[in-house]
Amino acid sequence: EDQVTQSPEALRLQEGESSSLNCSYTVSGLRGLFWYRQDPGKGPEFLFTLYSAGEEKEKERLKATLTKKESFLHITAPKPEDSATYLCAVQGPGGTGKLIFGQGTTLQVKP
Amino acid sequence: NAGVTQTPKFQVLKTGQSMTLQCAQDMNHNSMYWYRQDPGMGLRLIYYSASEGTTDKGEVPNGYNVSRLNKREFSLRLESAAPSQTSVYFCASSLGQGGNQPQHFGDGTRLSIL
Repeated sequence: EDQVTQSPEALRLQEGESSSLNCSYTVSGLRGLFWYRQDPGKGPEFLFTLYSAGEEKEKERLKATLTKKESFLHITAPKPEDSATYLCAVQGPGGTGKLIFGQGTTLQVKP
Repeated sequence: NAGVTQTPKFQVLKTGQSMTLQCAQDMNHNSMYWYRQDPGMGLRLIYYSASEGTTDKGEVPNGYNVSRLNKREFSLRLESAAPSQTSVYFCASSLGQGGNQPQHFGDGTRLSIL
């Protein structure tokens, strides 16, 4: 069964304290792994797509990496405005476009 | 740029009432999706429409129906609401179904069923 597990469930950082969020997945035939950011009361906002092991993508203080079993979202020198819930999702084979989401990691960055 | 627009933003229903949640996108996307988000459960797919004129069941379709009205609009209907359907509902769209097509989400409808 296709599954996505994110850890930790919650993370508190001081401003400037770098860390990583983990997304472990099991899917037969990965077509894409997606990272989203969700602010309270809002819908998920697309951040990155990764397709193959070894791939990396960067955006400001965020860098996403992918291996055959997991993805990491590295946050370098975070700021309070980076506080949000970060969601990971995978798309398996079949061409339907269906995504399987993890439960998310809620990040709080204190000034 | 509106993106994906959902109406209403909030709704309270009584058990047994019916309701339609509306979703429209202005990005000329082909595929549209309905999810529900519950605490501790993550986002779960209810129904999706790969292209205009087609709809298919997702992970949790029971108690719901959908209509792909045209390329822009995809509605979700609760025929007889139940307390278990209290949730936040998100609509999303993507250019196509391929692995390189991210889904873009609306800001959700918060639905409470008493």
